[in-house]
Amino acid sequence: EAGVAQSPRYKIIEKRQSVAFWCNPISGHATLYWYQQILGQGPKLLIQFQNNGVVDDSQLPKDRFSAERLKGVDSTLKIQPAKLEDSAVYLCASSSGGLWNEQFFGPGTRLTVL
Amino acid sequence: GDSVTQMEGPVTLSEEAFLTINCTYTATGYPSLFWYVQYPGEGLQLLLKATKADDKGSNKGFEATYRKETTSFHLEKGSVQVSDSAVYFCALSVNQAGTALIFGKGTTLSVSS
Repeated sequence: EAGVAQSPRYKIIEKRQSVAFWCNPISGHATLYWYQQILGQGPKLLIQFQNNGVVDDSQLPKDRFSAERLKGVDSTLKIQPAKLEDSAVYLCASSSGGLWNEQFFGPGTRLTVL
Repeated sequence: GDSVTQMEGPVTLSEEAFLTINCTYTATGYPSLFWYVQYPGEGLQLLLKATKADDKGSNKGFEATYRKETTSFHLEKGSVQVSDSAVYFCALSVNQAGTALIFGKGTTLSVSS
């Protein structure tokens, strides 16, 4: 079974630029999550999708972050404009939403904002 | 709000030593508890889980018991190996219906031969 795919793996941008990350979840997984992991901290949820609908985006900085999951499969997370404090690893995870809620994580995208 | 607190690292051990990484939680309701591991250069992987009080999760020689009375889920291994060197994250989900995970800050384990 193929895992969660993310691209790019690394991205370096200047502050105030925009950037987009892509995630392809495990086939058939209805639930998709984007987490932000700042160095030295645990991952923090940014947004959760159930199919193509948003379940929870309460911690998403909506003035600069946006995400979509068209057709309930792939997802894109965008930052515009980026700030220095956005430097982090952005993790995508997916889940079948089954009873035990096991989430499968992608390798992440490491973003550096200069 | 719901939260997870785990011991600060790094933890440095010699091969075959006993490992304990402490984890306590605060949650409303009855959370499920997890340990995830992140090996160098790899993504997060589920190590073990427990979904109700007194459950014991186990995998690859690691164990953790869900203790509701002490709100704890400490990770233990009797004899660590160099290959266990990684970052370990304790996490909870508030219910079992697809809720996002709440993670601790992670504990770095380094095992030397």
